[in-house]
Amino acid sequence: ETGVTQTPRHLVMGMTNKKSLKCEQHLGHNAMYWYKQSAKKPLELMFVYNFKEQTENNSVPSRFSPECPNSSHLFLHLHTLQPEDSALYLCASSQDASGPYNEQFFGPGTRLTVL
Amino acid sequence: GQNIDQPTEMTATEGAIVQINCTYQTSGFNGLFWYQQHAGEAPTFLSYNVLDGLEEKGRFSSFLSRSKGYSYLLLKELQMKDSASYLCAVRDSNYQLIWGAGTKLIIKP
Repeated sequence: ETGVTQTPRHLVMGMTNKKSLKCEQHLGHNAMYWYKQSAKKPLELMFVYNFKEQTENNSVPSRFSPECPNSSHLFLHLHTLQPEDSALYLCASSQDASGPYNEQFFGPGTRLTVL
Repeated sequence: GQNIDQPTEMTATEGAIVQINCTYQTSGFNGLFWYQQHAGEAPTFLSYNVLDGLEEKGRFSSFLSRSKGYSYLLLKELQMKDSASYLCAVRDSNYQLIWGAGTKLIIKP
């Protein structure tokens, strides 16, 4: 257990569906991240929130919409996804998004399949 | 562009030693991380290097040479449970982590 939980663990959705991924951290951290992990590719940073403010949006399509209501919770709202969006979506948290040492703690991920 | 290179896959024998290399080209450098990821699980932190030299932590050691843009992770006394992917990540000048694609390590009895 890393102190970061994600639900659901698995999700299958059609291209017209709307769904949300949830992440919660119990570590008292101030920064939270969404990553996309595809097979044999580097982790792709999607969004960063630091003290509830979005600080990074790495050219992510608008069909992915993040929400960070407080420092402990992070959501990723999905709509009109494409089959190439099928991947493992990882949430992570760290004490701060900047600074000399910021180990990130990862959740177990949501395995998303878009049909 | 920014780039992290590490071998795609390595195979080693139980009880042996293996070295996983990572080379990087990034805009700035603010530390290098190694993570372990078992199949279907979350990546977990192994080590952090920001100064040149060797950091030892039990059976695992990590080395950094900033002038060469090079790091390695050394695993000793390999155990079957060490079969996993090992991810190298560099923090750039904006404190953003740039990730390698990971090295899948297969341990054979």
